[in-house]
Amino acid sequence: DVKVTQSSRYLVKRTGEKVFLECVQDMDHENMFWYRQDPGLGLRLIYFSYDVKMKEKGDIPEGYSVSREKKERFSLILESASTNQTSMYLCASTLTGGSYEQYFGPGTRLTVT
Amino acid sequence: RKEVEQDPGPFNVPEGATVAFNCTYSNSASQSFFWYRQDCRKEPKLLMSVYSSGNEDGRFTAQLNRASQYISLLIRDSKLSDSATYLCVVHNGNKLVFGAGTILRVKS
Repeated sequence: DVKVTQSSRYLVKRTGEKVFLECVQDMDHENMFWYRQDPGLGLRLIYFSYDVKMKEKGDIPEGYSVSREKKERFSLILESASTNQTSMYLCASTLTGGSYEQYFGPGTRLTVT
Repeated sequence: RKEVEQDPGPFNVPEGATVAFNCTYSNSASQSFFWYRQDCRKEPKLLMSVYSSGNEDGRFTAQLNRASQYISLLIRDSKLSDSATYLCVVHNGNKLVFGAGTILRVKS
């Protein structure tokens, strides 16, 4: 079974703090994604990566950055957390070659106060 | 206009009922279509892909109408365990676009 893990289920941070969200997958998937999920808005793509050290902006990259130093690990960084970044953050991975089944991690509920 | 639109529901149905959800998408160049299921406080998981010819998986039937740009999901003989949020998903370019989801509640 594919397993995608995220470093924390719940996180509370203060405005202005730098926040790191970690995601690890164990199936040698090339592609990894970060989404945020908000009520009524669905999942929105923040950043994705098709290879180590490679990243592409999604639909809402402002206020975020990412790092992919190893194939299995994709980190989301909030440089200076703000209250409007309070959300559920979901990481996902897929193989390449036209497979669009995304395997999601359990999510991190981030609250910025 | 959202790229993928769904009726948020909730749809409250009794066990054994048949229920259908529709979803519309705005990009006529969309390549592939899917339904994901998300249980309460859980991550989304792929339920089924949607093909132009339609496809069926047990009690679940998915249909695609490219001319009208909508996708449907039909659930027959609903079970309590079907209660979840159903996400309509469209593949555009190099990414998936998720609808906000339709909530289904099946009651005994």
